[in-house]
Amino acid sequence: DAGVIQSPRHEVTEMGQEVTLRCKPISGHNSLFWYRQTMMRGLELLIYFNNNVPIDDSGMPEDRFSAKMPNASFSTLKIQPSEPRDSAVYFCASSKGPGQPQHFGDGTRLSIL
Amino acid sequence: GENVEQHPSTLSVQEGDSAVIKCTYSDSASNYFPWYKQELGKRPQLIIDIRSNVGEKKDQRIAVTLNKTAKHFSLHITETQPEDSAVYFCAADTDKLIFGTGTRLQVFP
Repeated sequence: DAGVIQSPRHEVTEMGQEVTLRCKPISGHNSLFWYRQTMMRGLELLIYFNNNVPIDDSGMPEDRFSAKMPNASFSTLKIQPSEPRDSAVYFCASSKGPGQPQHFGDGTRLSIL
Repeated sequence: GENVEQHPSTLSVQEGDSAVIKCTYSDSASNYFPWYKQELGKRPQLIIDIRSNVGEKKDQRIAVTLNKTAKHFSLHITETQPEDSAVYFCAADTDKLIFGTGTRLQVFP
């Protein structure tokens, strides 16, 4: 089992640039979650998908953030345009379904200068 | 919506002592309660979980208890070791996980 795979592991870019984070969930997992972690706000759920369909995006901070899941093995989180306050660690997690254990990827450490 | 409170925010113990972390939740519909351990610079890792039809679960040195009436659940670590030092998060799940704010546990040799 390869686990949840995220890329890139680190991203440093200038404000105003578009940032795309990628996630491959564990094979057979039907639910996928995007989280953001900062010292100030802790671990926040941004959006989650069940069977590739977005279920709850109430945690997405603003319209600059968007997420897609075109198929069962791939999801992206996009920030356009990026701002310094978006700097955080972004985690992707997957599970077999609602109420099942979630397994986290290694995260993407994003720094917006 | 669900709200999860976690205490204490920091906890320091001597190696070999026990550590207890407590969480409360607000939504009585929550039925799944996992605990995650996060070491510095690493991902949260699931260490134990409990469902609402069970009052206690144990796995070697760690145990979790759940009181549905009072809406609180706790993590117990016995015979602590320096490698237990990390941030621990509780969470409650109805249709999505809501995390507590974390407890930084330091175990001194």
